[in-house]
Amino acid sequence: GAGVSQSPRYKVAKRGQDVALRCDPISGHVSLFWYQQALGQGPEFLTYFQNEAQLDKSGLPSDRFFAERPEGSVSTLKIQRTQKEDSAVYLCASSSGGSGANVLTFGAGSRLTVL
Amino acid sequence: KNEVEQSPQNLTAQEGEFITINCSYSVGISALHWLQQHPGGGIVSLFMLSSGKKKHGRLIATINIQEKHSSLHITASHPRDSAVYICAPGGSEKLVFGKGTKLTVNP
Repeated sequence: GAGVSQSPRYKVAKRGQDVALRCDPISGHVSLFWYQQALGQGPEFLTYFQNEAQLDKSGLPSDRFFAERPEGSVSTLKIQRTQKEDSAVYLCASSSGGSGANVLTFGAGSRLTVL
Repeated sequence: KNEVEQSPQNLTAQEGEFITINCSYSVGISALHWLQQHPGGGIVSLFMLSSGKKKHGRLIATINIQEKHSSLHITASHPRDSAVYICAPGGSEKLVFGKGTKLTVNP
């Protein structure tokens, strides 16, 4: 597609529910990143894929967070047993190479609210 | 100490003013990104630079790798420039984001 597409745009979950957030990167982009942005804060790194390989997951806040990109294109961020502190905007970005030296294209984000 | 410090945190200007937003960082980088985020909107990449200076329209970004400092300038500011501007220095893979500078340009 022309841009990075994320779905759903808005998700309200009850505490304890599992959620799945989807990211469709730009076609052909090798690198895919997930970030978490709390209200009033800058984005924080969660995890990074190069093709289907998850090269860095050091930013995932707990083992309730899991991300995958099985075929090297679409990625899913799954949050199990959601907690109120998981409420944030989850941003996906892709680039043709590593983010440090390549332009990143961001999706519009998925806003998660945990009640 | 935060890895990325932006200043000012908030900035209010009158239309037409020259704007400067500063970014200092402590991480090693191969490039630095300047990003723009409108309220409720997505993030748009403005610049990616690893040395010197880049210009795009009314926007100018500079970086001094030795001093680990970058600036974003907006000439002839306009109310539509109102947004949060985020500095994000990066290594080979992941970026570290500043907290952003909220710019409001009044008509």
